[in-house]
Amino acid sequence: NAGVMQNPRHLVRRRGQEARLRCSPMKGHSHVYWYRQLPEEGLKFMVYLQKENIIDESGMPKERFSAEFPKEGPSILRIQQVVRGDSAAYFCASSQSGTDSGNTIYFGEGSWLTVV
Amino acid sequence: QKEVEQNSGPLSVPEGAIASLNCTYSDRGSQSFFWYRQYSGKSPELIMFIYSNGDKEDGRFTAQLNKASQYVSLLIRDSQPSDSATYLCAVTPSGAGSYQLTFGKGTKLSVIP
Repeated sequence: NAGVMQNPRHLVRRRGQEARLRCSPMKGHSHVYWYRQLPEEGLKFMVYLQKENIIDESGMPKERFSAEFPKEGPSILRIQQVVRGDSAAYFCASSQSGTDSGNTIYFGEGSWLTVV
Repeated sequence: QKEVEQNSGPLSVPEGAIASLNCTYSDRGSQSFFWYRQYSGKSPELIMFIYSNGDKEDGRFTAQLNKASQYVSLLIRDSQPSDSATYLCAVTPSGAGSYQLTFGKGTKLSVIP
């Protein structure tokens, strides 16, 4: 009964280091989405990926953030040179189809990044 | 900017009472509306979705949508302590991919035994 799996669940990084967050979608799902939840804020869409393709990155910060979903292996959200403002919960979600709406998107339990 | 507004709470109700959670949205062209429940440190979990004006009931939960007023609500009947969580309203805005949910900040609900 594997849902969307994210790791690490908690990550502490010093300012200037790199953070890598991983997401394995639900079995049978080939569409992955990353959302970010800043403290006291709502979840914000970041990026939508299919295998080997970035479909929509309209919510990604222009610098330091990148995402990939390789042919083999999990999707990775990479944050370079982290700053304190990057401290947040990062949620991955997956769906079977790219036209799926909120009722067929499944969220993982999140990765909590703390930058010290 | 397309926004979803919720009262942050906390909203406290006694066990067995009806909890009423409200949400307004700014994008008049929004098509789909969702309520998620999020326990502390956990993932958002879909409770209800509604597309058409009116009420939609599922067990103890009723979602209400009024597109003219740009208002969506969630009623929880016979509230239980296990319903204590943050409830997130989410909307699929017009012109965006159907996967691009715009979330409110959430309302924290506390059900008092």
